[in-house]
Amino acid sequence: DAKTTQPPSMDCAEGRAANLPCNHSTISGNEYVYWYRQIHSQGPQYIIHGLKNNETNEMASLIITEDRKSSTLILPHATLRDTAVYYCIASSYNTDKLIFGTGTRLQVFP
Amino acid sequence: GAVVSQHPSRVICKSGTSVKIECRSLDFQATTMFWYRQFPKQSLMLMATSNEGSKATYEQGVEKDKFLINHASLTLSTLTVTSAHPEDSSFYICSARDLGGANTEAFFGQGTRLTVV
Repeated sequence: DAKTTQPPSMDCAEGRAANLPCNHSTISGNEYVYWYRQIHSQGPQYIIHGLKNNETNEMASLIITEDRKSSTLILPHATLRDTAVYYCIASSYNTDKLIFGTGTRLQVFP
Repeated sequence: GAVVSQHPSRVICKSGTSVKIECRSLDFQATTMFWYRQFPKQSLMLMATSNEGSKATYEQGVEKDKFLINHASLTLSTLTVTSAHPEDSSFYICSARDLGGANTEAFFGQGTRLTVV
């Protein structure tokens, strides 16, 4: 699986958009970009994933650059409940396993 | 989304005893399940990949005789921590992936906090 790099921490004001970057410069053509988050003392929660097109669901949007070397997770209107560690993972469908990096600790403040 | 249930959520055991943790996929068949361990303030570390009907594949540095994994059905995998010691105290998390389904994402259990005293 390709290695990903994320900033260790970010802050965001409640109600504003949270933009979480991820670098995956060695991603291969068959690897998806997955985003998960982990709220304290819980199992990770799936957010969104994509291959090369931008994706949007009820939780977030995923913007993947054209060269696929980086991506941005967007939480359009952050709430206090979005405070968590966010993990960006590159993984191929056939490889199965998800290898977690250190993630970004997002703190949403009032 | 799909649901993965893990049991128990918390367990305290005495040093030297064994503890079994169950991981169930409730609404899909999980041909593959994964076991992770997480120490405080650290990321999840993959321990092993559990394949239904075959032996688990362990990551480097994980003792297969200490962490016994059984994946006897398409909806259940178990992790047994044998002869537990205080250093085995950790947060254990399972994950399941429906490789036969339309989606490729993995779903995670709520985790099991093991404390060995």
